Amino acid sequence: DTGVSQDPRHKITKRGQNVTFRCDPISEHNRLYWYRQTLGQGPEFLTYFQNEAQLEKSRLLSDRFSAERPKGSFSTLEIQRTEQGDSAMYLCASTPLGVETQYFGPGTRLLVL
Amino acid sequence: AQSVTQLGSHVSVSEGALVLLRCNYSSSVPPYLFWYVQYPNQGLQLLLKYTSAATLVKGINGFEAEFKKSETSFHLTKPSAHMSDAAEYFCAVSSPQDSSYKLIFGSGTRLLVRP
Repeated sequence: DTGVSQDPRHKITKRGQNVTFRCDPISEHNRLYWYRQTLGQGPEFLTYFQNEAQLEKSRLLSDRFSAERPKGSFSTLEIQRTEQGDSAMYLCASTPLGVETQYFGPGTRLLVL
Repeated sequence: AQSVTQLGSHVSVSEGALVLLRCNYSSSVPPYLFWYVQYPNQGLQLLLKYTSAATLVKGINGFEAEFKKSETSFHLTKPSAHMSDAAEYFCAVSSPQDSSYKLIFGSGTRLLVRP
């Protein structure tokens, strides 16, 4: 079984540009989570999906952020009009329904100049 | 609300010495508890978890942790540090009463292993 994959691994962008990240969960994992990790801190929950339904969004997820999981498989996280404060590692995790253990991908490191 | 406190942002040990990384949690109900390890520029790897079974939990790479309800602690230990253990370690909590199972993380402890 392959693990959670994320693409790209690194992204450098200029302030004001839009960026999109992709996460492919472990096959048949119903739940998919997004977290953000800033330098020197632990990851913080952003949002999660159960199949294609987005069930919860953190207050950290401003209007410039949108996440989708259209077919219940891969997910995308888009940030519009990026700001320097968006610079962080964006982590994706997945898990089967009803299981408390999350399996993380390698992350996408975003740098906004 | 749940929270996690990791005492010591940096811990330095000699190779072969005992590793002790501290984690205290705050929760109104017995939580699920996890330790993850993160190597530079990588994602998180699960070391071990507590989900209301045995209070002494053994994980990968020789690590173990003990759930102590009276102390609201879940400290991570390893009898003998190896150079390859140098990494960032995160303690996390989730609530069995929250169907999302979202994780609340501590701020992490960087383990340095001296030769």
